[in-house]
Amino acid sequence: AQSVAQPEDQVNVAEGNPLTVKCTYSVSGNPYLFWYVQYPNRGLQFLLKYITGDNLVKGSYGFEAEFNKSQTSFHLKKPSALVSDSALYFCAVTEGSGGGADGLTFGKGTHLIIQP
Amino acid sequence: SAVISQKPSRDICQRGTSLTIQCQVDSQVTMMFWYRQQPGQSLTLIATANQGSEATYESGFVIDKFPISRPNLTFSTLTVSNMSPEDSSIYLCSVEGQQLYGYTFGSGTRLTVV
Repeated sequence: AQSVAQPEDQVNVAEGNPLTVKCTYSVSGNPYLFWYVQYPNRGLQFLLKYITGDNLVKGSYGFEAEFNKSQTSFHLKKPSALVSDSALYFCAVTEGSGGGADGLTFGKGTHLIIQP
Repeated sequence: SAVISQKPSRDICQRGTSLTIQCQVDSQVTMMFWYRQQPGQSLTLIATANQGSEATYESGFVIDKFPISRPNLTFSTLTVSNMSPEDSSIYLCSVEGQQLYGYTFGSGTRLTVV
């Protein structure tokens, strides 16, 4: 069975500082990894994904994530946080079987709060 | 990426009744997925709907409670049957995106059972 752990319920960062939201995963095969953001009363927005290739993935709104196979991690990062980045962030995984698409397994989510 | 129209956006229902949620995609997709997000919780996959076959349900979810239809490659419905207050959640449909995109999600249906 696959699983995702987001160890922090909440991350507080001052505006302009770098931010990191942690994610570790467990999957039996090759992982396909995703980050999504959810703003209050709005749907899920896709930020970025890792399928294969370069371990550093760049996504929307200046976010990036680094895939680390040995540590089974996929931490989300941004060099300079904005107040508008404050939201709920979800890490998700599915097993890349090469066949039909599978659904995602989500972490519990991390509230990111950027303080002015 | 695909655009998903999901409705209703919210509803308040009496316990013991059923609600059908519709999900329309602007392009043909093989798989459609239904998720539940309970208040303050993460998303949990309910089932995967493949056109032309019965949906595949995840552990803890059964067809009698959450029947799914998938009549064609652009449409699916999820019914929440015999509702109780514990069914109060946001229900979301999703499809797999194209190569450069992740899975796309509908805006969700916020269900309150009273």
